[in-house]
Amino acid sequence: SQKIEQNSEALNIQEGKTATLTCNYTNYSPAYLQWYRQDPGRGPVFLLLIRENEKEKRKERLKVTFDTTLKQSLFHITASQPADSATYLCAPKGSGGSYIPTFGRGTSLIVHP
Amino acid sequence: DSGVTQTPKHLITATGQRVTLRCSPRSGDLSVYWYQQSLDQGLQFLIQYYNGEERAKGNILERFSAQQFPDLHSELNLSSLELGDSALYFCASSPGLAASYEQYFGPGTRLTVT
Repeated sequence: SQKIEQNSEALNIQEGKTATLTCNYTNYSPAYLQWYRQDPGRGPVFLLLIRENEKEKRKERLKVTFDTTLKQSLFHITASQPADSATYLCAPKGSGGSYIPTFGRGTSLIVHP
Repeated sequence: DSGVTQTPKHLITATGQRVTLRCSPRSGDLSVYWYQQSLDQGLQFLIQYYNGEERAKGNILERFSAQQFPDLHSELNLSSLELGDSALYFCASSPGLAASYEQYFGPGTRLTVT
């Protein structure tokens, strides 16, 4: 069955450093991969989408890579700030009009001042 | 603000009862998704509707049902409630069916079953 793995342990980093979060998936070949941010008790918020034919996507301080051979996406936040502290979810998505939306359980990022 | 609204924000009820959660999607969005999120489970997909029709079903219990109305708002009905149904329930919407569309999540309804 399809499986999405994100590091369940919280990632603690110092302000100003680059945070790198990992999303691994097995048993399917997504055409897209999305990343969302979720704050405690609130709904997830979309951040970035990367397509299978794109190696890298950037948006301001965010960078996402997508390696379909390794079945892995990396999510980077450069010059991290305490306000970046949140849980980050990945969502590999198939193509076509009918699919089961599946999210990883997320990795908690804590940025220390 | 995502543009997706959910009511009520909080709901406390007893085991065996039935509740209805309501969602209004973002203006223009035809697709509505329902998710359950409990502390030990992560975000679990329940069901998707597109323009009034059921499109995809996840791990939705038989005690749960949903529908999408002609004005595109959606309701999730939970019956014979059990303690384990206590969770945050999110509704999300997207413009259509394409997998590339991002989902816009509402603020959620926190359900507590006592």
